[in-house]
Amino acid sequence: AAGVIQSPRHLIKEKRETATLKCYPIPRHDTVYWYQQGPGQDPQFLISFYEKMQSDKGSIPDRFSAQQFSDYHSELNMSSLELGDSALYFCASSLGDKGVDEKLFFGSGTQLSVL
Amino acid sequence: AQSVTQPDIHITVSEGASLELRCNYSYGATPYLFWYVQSPGQGLQLLLKYFSGDTLVQGIKGFEAEFKRSQSSFNLRKPSVHWSDAAEYFCAVGGASGTYKYIFGTGTRLKVLA
Repeated sequence: AAGVIQSPRHLIKEKRETATLKCYPIPRHDTVYWYQQGPGQDPQFLISFYEKMQSDKGSIPDRFSAQQFSDYHSELNMSSLELGDSALYFCASSLGDKGVDEKLFFGSGTQLSVL
Repeated sequence: AQSVTQPDIHITVSEGASLELRCNYSYGATPYLFWYVQSPGQGLQLLLKYFSGDTLVQGIKGFEAEFKRSQSSFNLRKPSVHWSDAAEYFCAVGGASGTYKYIFGTGTRLKVLA
């Protein structure tokens, strides 16, 4: 069965550069969530989208932006990267906007390293 | 403020032994509670969840958890641990109105001795 696809798996950037992370949800899933997990840390919710509209927002820095496209894939854009942005970024998808009533599927994450 | 506490950062058990991972939460309303497992380099996999009803919930891979409102706890248990259970385990509380704006605990790393 198709799963949540994230690309790239690994990304190395330097400070002040920009990065774009992509998430392709499970087919027909219309809701996407982004989480950030720092080294040895618990995952933190960043932002979510439902039907191409932002549905909720967490601890996402102003330097980050995200959107969901017509095919429901999502991109997380990160500018002016800082060393502290080094983390594993997870995307997850679900069908519908009923929150926890819908099952959530996680991707394997993009490991971002900022040097 | 809502929070999740996993008191044990590391736990080591022998294969075949029983396991209990602790989770305490602070939440103003009836919580939506989850346990996830994360293997190295992998995404989060849902083990089980509690919304309402029977306070003892069964999950995948032989795991179960019990919701105890009086103790604000949702401990994860397994009667007999397998070497493949070695991983990081996260307890999480669902966001307000049942959203996936999770609050995660800091995780418990499980090591299994052969």
